[in-house]
Amino acid sequence: RKEVEQDPGPFNVPEGATVAFNCTYSNSASQSFFWYRQDCRKEPKLLMSVYSSGNEDGRFTAQLNRASQYISLLIRDSKLSDSATYLCVVNLRGGRRALTFGSGTRLQVQP
Amino acid sequence: EPEVTQTPSHQVTQMGQEVILRCVPISNHLYFYWYRQILGQKVEFLVSFYNNEISEKSEIFDDQFSVERPDGSNFTLKIRSTKLEDSAMYFCASTLDDGNTIYFGEGSWLTVV
Repeated sequence: RKEVEQDPGPFNVPEGATVAFNCTYSNSASQSFFWYRQDCRKEPKLLMSVYSSGNEDGRFTAQLNRASQYISLLIRDSKLSDSATYLCVVNLRGGRRALTFGSGTRLQVQP
Repeated sequence: EPEVTQTPSHQVTQMGQEVILRCVPISNHLYFYWYRQILGQKVEFLVSFYNNEISEKSEIFDDQFSVERPDGSNFTLKIRSTKLEDSAMYFCASTLDDGNTIYFGEGSWLTVV
């Protein structure tokens, strides 16, 4: 099993659609989870941290399922500007250890 | 908003040459990182640095790589003798506290020819 695994996509959705991405991780002891967004040839930018109880930030909702070792990101009312690659990122070994990145899921929102 | 800055933004070098990539982390941050991303591939961890020493490194970070914090602000990555497969975007990152929100610089694109 890959350490952090994502469906690469692309997901092509119309503006206004709701889209969801999932990500699985290998280490059940992982403590910190994040979704980053990366535009083409740019740096990853933190979209949101993922908390055990789930959390929402505007149109974005993140969920964590520890039992199944997956996290999800839901985007409602997609905008053209949401087009990017969404990176699932996990601190697999805790503390200040390195982050492990998934390969990313590409989203293309179409007019 | 404070940011991580990196120079150069793009460097082309000949195989076998030494390269130094520079980073200025966010000023009150304590943990520093280098990651790389080969074109079309995922972001990969290279090395982390805390309290003036390497705290963790990946198998990618072999003897050809070194990091330094020569003064209170700069954090550098040196590649001693570059190989074609070192061509990638190199991201510097920093964080204030223990392994949580990490802020990335805009990257240095290294092309080895």
